[in-house]
Amino acid sequence: KAGVTQTPRYLIKTRGQQVTLSCSPISGHRSVSWYQQTPGQGLQFLFEYFSETQRNKGNFPGRFSGRQFSNSRSEMNVSTLELGDSALYLCASSMDMVNYGYTFGSGTRLTVV
Amino acid sequence: AQTVTQSQPEMSVQEAETVTLSCTYDTSESDYYLFWYKQPPSRQMILVIRQEAYKQQNATENRFSVNFQKAAKSFSLKISDSQLGDAAMYFCAYRGGANSKLTFGKGITLSVRP
Repeated sequence: KAGVTQTPRYLIKTRGQQVTLSCSPISGHRSVSWYQQTPGQGLQFLFEYFSETQRNKGNFPGRFSGRQFSNSRSEMNVSTLELGDSALYLCASSMDMVNYGYTFGSGTRLTVV
Repeated sequence: AQTVTQSQPEMSVQEAETVTLSCTYDTSESDYYLFWYKQPPSRQMILVIRQEAYKQQNATENRFSVNFQKAAKSFSLKISDSQLGDAAMYFCAYRGGANSKLTFGKGITLSVRP
């Protein structure tokens, strides 16, 4: 059974640009969550989608957005990149939003220069 | 808001020995889930163990077990017979009821001495 797949694994962008990260959940998983991980702030929740609907959102500016497609694949977009957006972005999938643990991908390492 | 606290940033254990990682949380909910995740240098977060708050019995997964003290809001992870492959960052996490997010602690770096 394939795990959670995140692409790309590494990305370097310039300030002011925008970026789109992709996450393919485990087959059958309908919930996809996104997290930002930095040494200073740790793991911070961005948003969670279930059956194409955003069910929960963290405290991030509107430059961070996401969506989920009918096949449960999810994308997150960051516009007008800032140096502080450099982080590891982790995606996690789950069968539902309550009873199961999450399976994480290996993340996308975003560097903003 | 729920918070998860891991007060020890680093710990070290001798191979084959036992180590306990501490975690406390704060919540007003009665029904919730607690998790321990392991993040090795490969970056992928791996679920180690999961505990439902309504279950009094402590969860166990092979060499990993938890000490869940609901009244004290404490959820510690015990690793028995530590192995070199256990070296990683460990995160304690909390999830409340439906539609609630997964909240992580700051993590603890565990090193294993051969």
